[in-house]
Amino acid sequence: NAGVTQTPKFRVLKTGQSMTLLCAQDMNHEYMYWYRQDPGMGLRLIHYSVGEGTTAKGEVPDGYNVSRLKKQNFLLGLESAAPSQTSVYFCASSYEAGGRGNTEAFFGQGTRLTVV
Amino acid sequence: RKEVEQDPGPFNVPEGATVAFNCTYSNSASQSFFWYRQDCRKEPKLLMSVYSSGNEDGRFTAQLNRASQYISLLIRDSKLSDSATYLCVVNTRVGNQFYFGTGTSLTVIP
Repeated sequence: NAGVTQTPKFRVLKTGQSMTLLCAQDMNHEYMYWYRQDPGMGLRLIHYSVGEGTTAKGEVPDGYNVSRLKKQNFLLGLESAAPSQTSVYFCASSYEAGGRGNTEAFFGQGTRLTVV
Repeated sequence: RKEVEQDPGPFNVPEGATVAFNCTYSNSASQSFFWYRQDCRKEPKLLMSVYSSGNEDGRFTAQLNRASQYISLLIRDSKLSDSATYLCVVNTRVGNQFYFGTGTSLTVIP
């Protein structure tokens, strides 16, 4: 059972380059999220999706775009990378709790991105 | 004001010690509460959910005080393998968003 898979695991970009991070989940979860984690800042939400074809901005969306064309995939794009986007990026997915009580977030292994 | 606030530590404790972590949250509409564990250079993983009645899982006890908007985690008989960062997390159900504290670093010393 793969859970949440992120690719790539590591990447070095030059300022101004673009790239796409892929997140795939096999748990049929409705909700998917992209976070960035920086020292002393904790996990901050970039964008999220409440279902296929929907996306919404989180706390720190500037400089990023996302798409969710298929329920199992959530893509994060950097159009023109900047050194301030050097970070560890985590994708997560979750289900609607409904009558099941607490939901939880399941995380991918992370992508370490360095922009030089 | 941050949604979730934690003491970042670090906490350095000897093996066998009892250690407690605390966290406060600002949104009174928060519905679900969790403690996650994050090892160095790894993804966060669920340690335990937190319920109003309090809950225990082996050496770990979590408490929630909705009136004070306060969550705690108690670790008894600390092991070397407990060394990690512990993240306090709340979920608002609206948009099913999760809000994370900055984490509390724990090192258990032999």
